[in-house]
Amino acid sequence: EVQLVQSGAEVKKPGESLKISCKGSGYTFTSYWIAWVRQVPGRGLEWMGTIYADDSDTRYSPAFQGQVTISVDKSIKTAYLQWSSLKASDSAMYYCARHGSYIDFWGQGSLVTVSS
Amino acid sequence: EILMTQSPATLSVSLGDRATLSCRASQSIGSNLAWYQQRRGQAPRLLIYGASTRAAGIAARFSGSGSGTEFTLTINNLQSEDFAVYYCQPYNEWPPETFGQGTRLEIK
Repeated sequence: EVQLVQSGAEVKKPGESLKISCKGSGYTFTSYWIAWVRQVPGRGLEWMGTIYADDSDTRYSPAFQGQVTISVDKSIKTAYLQWSSLKASDSAMYYCARHGSYIDFWGQGSLVTVSS
Repeated sequence: EILMTQSPATLSVSLGDRATLSCRASQSIGSNLAWYQQRRGQAPRLLIYGASTRAAGIAARFSGSGSGTEFTLTINNLQSEDFAVYYCQPYNEWPPETFGQGTRLEIK
């Protein structure tokens, strides 16, 4: 069974750093891309970027380029999304998702709350 | 950049009835369209890919149609668990960065 299991909810202050994770199982991890998708509460889905799990080839959406860093450690089948300095506007649910042409599996989501 | 327009924004339908959701692309995408369902408090899940192919485990009451720029998701015999938000996503370009804005399906 394909699974993407994400790290838990986080509460942070503005200016703090954060790294959330997404662990894949039940499939050949290095054969797929892992995307990160943001969802602000009550809003739609926003594609942030994606990384190929085998060679770490990374593509960022222009809106998120320079705002976040996507990485992967294929030895432990885990992808990451990180911020160096959080803002209140980063408060959202973040999903990882496996894709080739289209997304076929989603993680359960990681809720990030940034508040002073 | 492809723009996707979903309509209506909100659709009210009774249990047991049929729901028809639309997704329009700003340019032709062939059959490279996926539909996702997001129930309240849950992650999205894949329903349809290739505009009309149901994903594994998806009930037969869900069907997709269309090609080019006009696409439809039809849900027959609506069940309580079908009331959710539905998103379309084109994938003729790579990576597939665009999502429609979603249609909320609510109980009438």
